[in-house]
Amino acid sequence: GDSVTQMEGPVTLSEEAFLTINCTYTATGYPSLFWYVQYPGEGLQLLLKATKADDKGSNKGFEATYRKETTSFHLEKGSVQVSDSAVYFCALSSGYSTLTFGKGTMLLVSP
Amino acid sequence: ETGVTQTPRHLVMGMTNKKSLKCEQHLGHNAMYWYKQSAKKPLELMFVYSLEERVENNSVPSRFSPECPNSSHLFLHLHTLQPEDSALYLCASSQDDIRRKNTEAFFGQGTRLTVV
Repeated sequence: GDSVTQMEGPVTLSEEAFLTINCTYTATGYPSLFWYVQYPGEGLQLLLKATKADDKGSNKGFEATYRKETTSFHLEKGSVQVSDSAVYFCALSSGYSTLTFGKGTMLLVSP
Repeated sequence: ETGVTQTPRHLVMGMTNKKSLKCEQHLGHNAMYWYKQSAKKPLELMFVYSLEERVENNSVPSRFSPECPNSSHLFLHLHTLQPEDSALYLCASSQDDIRRKNTEAFFGQGTRLTVV
C-alpha cells in the first residue's frame, strides 16, 4: 500500500536559517505529491503540490521537487521566519486510495 | 465566507451526551471527508462522501455517525463517546473523489473535541 515517511521532529532553527524537511514515499503508479502546513490551533492548509516527476511546487518561499528516482519530495526554504513555525505534512494521492499522510514534522523557529 | 468552515471550534462533552459536528464548504466541491487527528498519531481518514453518497467507512465505531444532506454540508453525529475519542476532528473537501490522482483536499480549521 501507499506510505509516506517524514523526518522526525521537532526541527529547531533560528530565523533566516535554511530549512529542509525530508519526505520519501512508496506508492502504486505515479502519485501526486503534496505538502500541507498546520499552524497552531488550525486545520491543514495546502502549501504546495507536484503532479509529475521533476515538477517543482513552490509557495511562500517554500519549494519541493518531485524526484521519481529517489521517491522523494523534500521541502526546502532558504530563509525561515518565526511565522513559519508549524507542523508540516507530506502527503500523496496515487489514484488507488485516499490521501496518504506522513506523521508530520514540527518546525520551531526562534528569533 | 469562503473555504471549509467547521463548527463548533471547541466541544466538551460527557460520555452520555449526544452532539453533532458541522462542516460546510463553499468551494463547489463534490466530495467531503471526516478525518481524526490524535496526538502523536497520523491523520486517520474516517469517512468519505462523494456526490452525497458515502463511499468509504474506515472501520469507524458506530458511535460516530456521519450525514451528508447535500454536497455543501457534512455532519458527524456523536453519541456515547469514550475519552480516547478526544481529538481534533477535521473536515475536508475536494473537487473530485480524493481517491483519484491529482486531487488535493481543502481542510477546515477543525473541532477540538474533549470527552470527559
